[in-house]
Amino acid sequence: AQSVTQPDIHITVSEGASLELRCNYSYGATPYLFWYVQSPGQGLQLLLKYFSGDTLVQGIKGFEAEFKRSQSSFNLRKPSVHWSDAAEYFCAVGNSASGGSYIPTFGRGTSLIVHP
Amino acid sequence: DTGVSQNPRHKITKRGQNVTFRCDPISEHNRLYWYRQTLGQGPEFLTYFQNEAQLEKSRLLSDRFSAERPKGSFSTLEIQRTEQGDSAMYLCASSLRQGARNTGELFFGEGSRLTVL
Repeated sequence: AQSVTQPDIHITVSEGASLELRCNYSYGATPYLFWYVQSPGQGLQLLLKYFSGDTLVQGIKGFEAEFKRSQSSFNLRKPSVHWSDAAEYFCAVGNSASGGSYIPTFGRGTSLIVHP
Repeated sequence: DTGVSQNPRHKITKRGQNVTFRCDPISEHNRLYWYRQTLGQGPEFLTYFQNEAQLEKSRLLSDRFSAERPKGSFSTLEIQRTEQGDSAMYLCASSLRQGARNTGELFFGEGSRLTVL
């Protein structure tokens, strides 16, 4: 079964600093990978996704993520954080096999705190 | 706006009462999912539909929970005899399956928050 680990429960950065949120997954083949952001009281918004091809993917709001098969990782990065980026971030994995169930699995999330 | 719509957004109920949540997915999406999210946790899968067929249910979905998608469009999630442990955010998401290949991302609604007193 697929699974996701987000090892950092909270991350605190200063506005303007760079950011990296960690995500490790477990899946037998190349998975579909996603990062979502959730602001307080809101649903989840997709930041970016990886299906295949280029392992560095660009998303909305200046975020990017890199798929590293050898490390089973899909870390999210941003070169300069804005105060409005403070939110909860979720990594998710979906099975890429044809047929069968398609049930994306989410990590427990990382809470990003941005100091002025 | 043609995103995923959920209502009610908030529901406060007394233990033992029944509650029902409704989800209207993006119109062309054939898959619809229900997840539950508790404080400090990520979304946990409950069940999903492809068109009107309920394809899979999580072990989290006790027999007090029932979900329907009668015409392959909107869906309802009913919780009978609510317990305090049911307090959570219930998230609905939809996606599009094309052909034989599983695809893509889930599009989420803003959720329905349940508080059981």
